[in-house]
Amino acid sequence: DTEVTQTPKHLVMGMTNKKSLKCEQHMGHRAMYWYKQKAKKPPELMFVYSYEKLSINESVPSRFSPECPNSSLLNLHLHALQPEDSALYLCASSQSDPGSGNTIYFGEGSWLTVV
Amino acid sequence: AQSVTQLDSQVPVFEEAPVELRCNYSSSVSVYLFWYVQYPNQGLQLLLKYLSGSTLVESINGFEAEFNKSQTSFHLRKPSVHISDTAEYFCAVTKGDSNYQLIWGAGTKLIIKP
Repeated sequence: DTEVTQTPKHLVMGMTNKKSLKCEQHMGHRAMYWYKQKAKKPPELMFVYSYEKLSINESVPSRFSPECPNSSLLNLHLHALQPEDSALYLCASSQSDPGSGNTIYFGEGSWLTVV
Repeated sequence: AQSVTQLDSQVPVFEEAPVELRCNYSSSVSVYLFWYVQYPNQGLQLLLKYLSGSTLVESINGFEAEFNKSQTSFHLRKPSVHISDTAEYFCAVTKGDSNYQLIWGAGTKLIIKP
């Protein structure tokens, strides 16, 4: 069972809507991630928070806005999305940098459809 | 530049037969290697990882992978597959020049035929 919890599991939104994806972990991990995954493709890194500070932004369009309210929570605010943004959005966490051998743990994902 | 190659996009195999999913990587620095599995309509789960030490690593559900430094490979094997192993399998390596990032292979879909 994953210990990274994402809500909602499914979201349908119009191109003018504002919505948020939420993520929570209680493993005491200090790094949290947002990934985007299209069908039959590997996940693409969007953002990384380390110790609650934005560490990596992979040139993601500003219509995606991450927020890390505390060490256990991670949000992704969505505004004025395009149909091509429809995808599975995965939240993940790790104790620290995987470059030190730490495992990245993924949530079940939020399926987003933009209409 | 670092890269990960999973040569097979799909691997069909009969139930109870052995399977090997191939993963090759290129890197000028030492890396850590991971296999993740994604069951239909689910997130990714770590299957196993190689950090150091014994080059053969095993998972709790019968998969194993062997790190071969000379061939820069980390192939995943299972001696006898079950219908429940139907999933997408991703190989990933740490990115040497950047923290927190993994380099991902394109994935291999394991299809179990009854």
